[in-house]
Amino acid sequence: EVQLVESGGGLVQPGGSLRLSCEASGFTFSSYWMHWVRHTPGKGLVWVSHVNSDGSRTTYADSVKGRFTISRDNAKNTLYLQMTSLRAEDTALYYCARGGELIDYWGQGTLVTVSS
Amino acid sequence: QLVLTQSPSASASLGASVKLTCTLSSGHNNYAIAWHQQRPEKGPRYLMKHNSDGSHSKGDGIPDRFSGSRSGAERYLTISSLQSDDEADYYCQTWVSGINGVFGGGTKLTVL
Repeated sequence: EVQLVESGGGLVQPGGSLRLSCEASGFTFSSYWMHWVRHTPGKGLVWVSHVNSDGSRTTYADSVKGRFTISRDNAKNTLYLQMTSLRAEDTALYYCARGGELIDYWGQGTLVTVSS
Repeated sequence: QLVLTQSPSASASLGASVKLTCTLSSGHNNYAIAWHQQRPEKGPRYLMKHNSDGSHSKGDGIPDRFSGSRSGAERYLTISSLQSDDEADYYCQTWVSGINGVFGGGTKLTVL
């Protein structure tokens, strides 16, 4: 059974940093692209970032480019999202998701709240 | 550069059918898309994808009540025999080189 379990969310002040993790199991992690997607009630689902299967290529939404870094450790079956210079508008539920270009499995999410 | 357009809301009665639409913008109308369901207070769930060759494939355990079709730039998700727990937000998603991951704005389905 495919499982994606996010962790690392929490309350952080504006300008602060946070690292999210996503532990994967039930499939060959190193064979798939992985994505981070966030959800807010006002904007719905918004794609944030992706990394290809071997970690050699990454892409980002314009809203997080230069502030967020996606990475993966295929030996540990784990995906990461390093978030810096956090803003109030980064407040959201963050989901890790498996794909190629299209997502076919989702985690349950971890909540990030950016507030003073 | 709006790529995927969805109506904000839809409604249908319990036991009836509903057809949700995702419209691809000009220049993108042959792209593959995926449909995802997000029930209230739950994580998203992958439902199915429309491949660029016109074929469809469903996610694990997705019932036959969920089906897909297409016409030109429009992609449809039809849910038949509506149940109360079909009440959810439905999103379409695609990938466009240079824009990368894209979601539609979502359709909130109300089951009456």
